[in-house]
Amino acid sequence: GNSVTQMEGPVTLSEEAFLTINCTYTATGYPSLFWYVQYPGEGLQLLLKATKADDKGSNKGFEATYRKETTSFHLEKGSVQVSDSAVYFCALYSSASKIIFGSGTRLSIRP
Amino acid sequence: NAGVTQTPKFQVLKTGQSMTLQCAQDMNHEYMSWYRQDPGMGLRLIHYSVGAGITDQGEVPNGYNVSRSTTEDFPLRLLSAAPSQTSVYFCASSYGDNKGTEAFFGQGTRLTVV
Repeated sequence: GNSVTQMEGPVTLSEEAFLTINCTYTATGYPSLFWYVQYPGEGLQLLLKATKADDKGSNKGFEATYRKETTSFHLEKGSVQVSDSAVYFCALYSSASKIIFGSGTRLSIRP
Repeated sequence: NAGVTQTPKFQVLKTGQSMTLQCAQDMNHEYMSWYRQDPGMGLRLIHYSVGAGITDQGEVPNGYNVSRSTTEDFPLRLLSAAPSQTSVYFCASSYGDNKGTEAFFGQGTRLTVV
């Protein structure tokens, strides 16, 4: 079945550091891939998405590229800020409103 | 601009009690879902609906019931609460079955069963 595996946290970085959160997936076909972010006390919100191989999703300085050959969708940001502290979920779209989520990675940024 | 609204935000139940978690969306979305979030396990799908009058089971449906009498509302019922149902519950909605469709989430209900 479809599944998502992402880097375990927590991840703690200093402000302006480079961020990578790894995500790999198992799926039949070529599902759409997502990164969702959950800020403290809030629900999840879409950060970025990619719907086909080699697509790059980007938003708020974050980027992720859909790599079919390595079945990966790693999240990157060149210079993180304290306001990026949150839990990040990698996910894939399965069917009929079913989204399959990874376990989440908690990111903390030190000033 | 309400989006997806969940009530209550917090709830404590005793084992064996029943309750209904409410979810409403004002975006005229066809698809609605309930997830539970547990530490280290991400979000797991409980039940989902592809339109009014149509519901189906997700990955972890046992102990929960749903119904969808209107497009806007998708309540989740706990029939006889158990400590294993202590979790954070999220309702989500989306426009349709398009593989790039974004899901919109409510702010969650934190449920504790003692």
